[in-house]
Amino acid sequence: DQQVKQNSPSLSVQEGRISILNCDYTNSMFDYFLWYKKYPAEGPTFLISISSIKDKNEDGRFTVFLNKSAKHLSLHIVPSQPGDSAVYFCAATVETSGSRLTFGEGTQLTVNP
Amino acid sequence: ETGVTQTPRHLVMGMTNKKSLKCEQHLGHNAMYWYKQSAKKPLELMFVYNFKEQTENNSVPSRFSPECPNSSHLFLHLHTLQPEDSALYLCASSQEPSGRWSKNIQYFGAGTRLSVL
Repeated sequence: DQQVKQNSPSLSVQEGRISILNCDYTNSMFDYFLWYKKYPAEGPTFLISISSIKDKNEDGRFTVFLNKSAKHLSLHIVPSQPGDSAVYFCAATVETSGSRLTFGEGTQLTVNP
Repeated sequence: ETGVTQTPRHLVMGMTNKKSLKCEQHLGHNAMYWYKQSAKKPLELMFVYNFKEQTENNSVPSRFSPECPNSSHLFLHLHTLQPEDSALYLCASSQEPSGRWSKNIQYFGAGTRLSVL
């Protein structure tokens, strides 16, 4: 039973446009959500997170939106840049659980010049 | 030195071989983790170590044997693996072994790409 799903394995956008990456979860106990970015031959790096007490968190060009009723979160990148091309992983956890992160399968974003 | 270093980056082994993966973190963290990423599957947590003590084993087969001699080093000893164990093995570390996630982000190494023939 996969509790975190990223249904789009890939996404291609033009430079300067908005990239929207989506993530759905099934476990209503999850209350903290993270996005990681992974370049080839590198480990995943933390990008942005959001607690379930918020519905939006913004950091520069990156904004994460959380819709708890729909059990859905999305990552918006505006404007998209070629250097944003990477695999993006959504992850969810119970904030006081300590160690356990549940990851989605990842979405490959390609930003074309 | 980068924050979390894994060696080797690539490993090919036969099913009867014994090999070890090494992870070292230079961040002063107290918790270390092993993850497995198989092709087109999500990252799966394998083991968690807090202050050198194993606190979580996610039903991992005994052919994978972790070792954490200190808070900076983590090993994964491999023996009699199967072809389906071929995957990317990622190590991560975090400041605290437990507590609120907002203060406990995990930092990952680049991984070891393992192929079992």
